[in-house]
Amino acid sequence: GAGVSQSPSNKVTEKGKDVELRCDPISGHTALYWYRQSLGQGLEFLIYFQGNSAPDKSGLPSDRFSAERTGGSVSTLTIQRTQQEDSAVYLCASSLEGGHGYTFGSGTRLTVV
Amino acid sequence: GENVEQHPSTLSVQEGDSAVIKCTYSDSASNYFPWYKQELGKGPQLIIDIRSNVGEKKDQRIAVTLNKTAKHFSLHITETQPEDSAVYFCAASRNAGKSTFGDGTTLTVKP
Repeated sequence: GAGVSQSPSNKVTEKGKDVELRCDPISGHTALYWYRQSLGQGLEFLIYFQGNSAPDKSGLPSDRFSAERTGGSVSTLTIQRTQQEDSAVYLCASSLEGGHGYTFGSGTRLTVV
Repeated sequence: GENVEQHPSTLSVQEGDSAVIKCTYSDSASNYFPWYKQELGKGPQLIIDIRSNVGEKKDQRIAVTLNKTAKHFSLHITETQPEDSAVYFCAASRNAGKSTFGDGTTLTVKP
């Protein structure tokens, strides 16, 4: 597509439920990233996929968080047993490869109640 | 790992004045330095970038300078306009690596 597409744009979930966030990157971009942005805060790195290499998971805050990228394209970020501190905007970005500029999606605003 | 510090956290200027945002980085192997603009409710958008083999780059009213020795880089916006009001993020990365972002600068341009 023309840009990075994220769905849903908004998600309200009850504490303890699992959620899945989807990212559809720009076609041909081999690198895909997930970041988290809390209200008024900076960008916290979560995970980075580059081609067929093992993903860099060093930013995942706990084992409740996981992500996969199927067929080198669409990625899903899963948060299990959501907690209130998981409330944030989850941003996905893609780039031609690592070390290049990102194109960000509009994000998914997650609210855990 | 890389650490990027960004200053100031907030900046208010009069329309038509210049704005400067500064960042420092810690990893001497970083060689790519992009700047992003984030408007309310949107994802950050790449506005300009510079690689370590270049000292300065300009695109209309915005410019970026890089001092590799001192490990700092700056964003310069001239003739500011109200639509320049946004949050600006600097970042640094290595070849084939992920970007580490600064904490952001909220720029307000007063008409």
